[in-house]
Order: sequence, then C-alpha cells, then structure tokens
Amino acid sequence: GAGVSQTPSNKVTEKGKYVELRCDPISGHTALYWYRQSLGQGPEFLIYFQGTGAADDSGLPNDRFFAVRPEGSVSTLKIQRTERGDSAVYLCASSHSGTGPYEQYFGPGTRLTVT
Amino acid sequence: AQSVTQLDSHVSVSEGTPVLLRCNYSSSYSPSLFWYVQHPNKGLQLLLKYTSAATLVKGINGFEAEFKKSETSFHLTKPSAHMSDAAEYFCVVSGRGTNAGKSTFGDGTTLTVKP
Repeated sequence: GAGVSQTPSNKVTEKGKYVELRCDPISGHTALYWYRQSLGQGPEFLIYFQGTGAADDSGLPNDRFFAVRPEGSVSTLKIQRTERGDSAVYLCASSHSGTGPYEQYFGPGTRLTVT
Repeated sequence: AQSVTQLDSHVSVSEGTPVLLRCNYSSSYSPSLFWYVQHPNKGLQLLLKYTSAATLVKGINGFEAEFKKSETSFHLTKPSAHMSDAAEYFCVVSGRGTNAGKSTFGDGTTLTVKP
C-alpha cells in the first residue's frame, strides 16, 4: 500500500506568517509522530499521537507550534508567527501501537524555509 | 530521560572492508534501540531493532548490531561494505509501553565507501 505522504514537499514563507504542514499516515497505523530535522543533525522529536489524542507533546519548542489529528488519521502541524529559526525539514512517521517496539515508517518530509 | 551519542560523525571505508558505526545510549528504563538509514533525497528506513529477545540483532542488507548493557552500547557492523551502503545512519533509543512514543535520535554518522 501507499507509504506516509507529506504535503507540501517544500514551503517558503516570510517571517511572521502562519504555516500548516500535512501528514497522511499509512492506513491502519494508530500512532503518528512529528519530528524536526535541522541541517547536520538527527531528527528531533516534537509530538506523538495515539489515535486522536496527543500522547506526548513534550518536544514542541514553544506555544507557536501546535498539531492536531482530529479523526485519528491525517495530522496537521501548525506554526504561528514563523521565525527564521523554524527553517528545517519536518518529518512525519506512523506506526502500529501497543507494547511495541514498532518500526516507524517515515514520510519524505516538508522542507520549510522562513525568509 | 534518554539520550544517544554517535561517536563518529563521519566514517570512511573501502569497498569490501568491514563497517563499524558506534552508538552509546543512556536510558532511565529498559530501552528499545534502532538503527535507521537515510540515503540522499530518500526517507528514513529501518535497518534493525533491538527488542530484548536477543542481544545480537540482524537487519537488512547484511547489517547487524549487538546490544551490550554493561557498556550501554549498540554498535552497527557489516562484514563487507558495498558502494550502495554510502548514506547517513542514525541510532535511536525509545522507551517501552507508555514510553514507546518518544524516540531520541543521535546526530548521525555519514558513511562514505571508497571504490
């Protein structure tokens, strides 16, 4: 079946603007994860959903970042008042859930550039 | 709390020679450990995972890793490097059960394979 998809693949926005990044997980995967990857670094955990609820949002850097998954499938990462430091590749992953550990399947990412 | 240290940011080997990518971890609980590979312009792919069933874990493409609790290490090895192994490799630690959702990535090791 289809893998994890993310849209858009690239997003250029001006400082101070609002952006939304979308993630479509693999069908049937109840767990969904968001990461941020800056150049030369490993992915940094942002938030993890089990179904519709955020099970762990401890990685969100501040209150400008917010994510939703209203129907337990598609998720949207929302960034308000973007700053140049938000520029990075935003990765989404999905997996089965339970006692685990389960392999996370990653999407290709959205490259966000804040000018 | 959990953390991962990849001891080498760059490793260069000749084709046909062994590969060793080093990873040390820290975890407050019994960890799950993974190695992921990221080829240029491609998504992250799971190489192998440690689930506590066996300390020596075999993965795809001839890679394997050994979990050593006394050394808090999970080094990745391959007996004979192939040109197609050139990529970025990430060591990952996560918890189990209710702590399974938050994964911590290392900063990555870039593997170069010389002909």
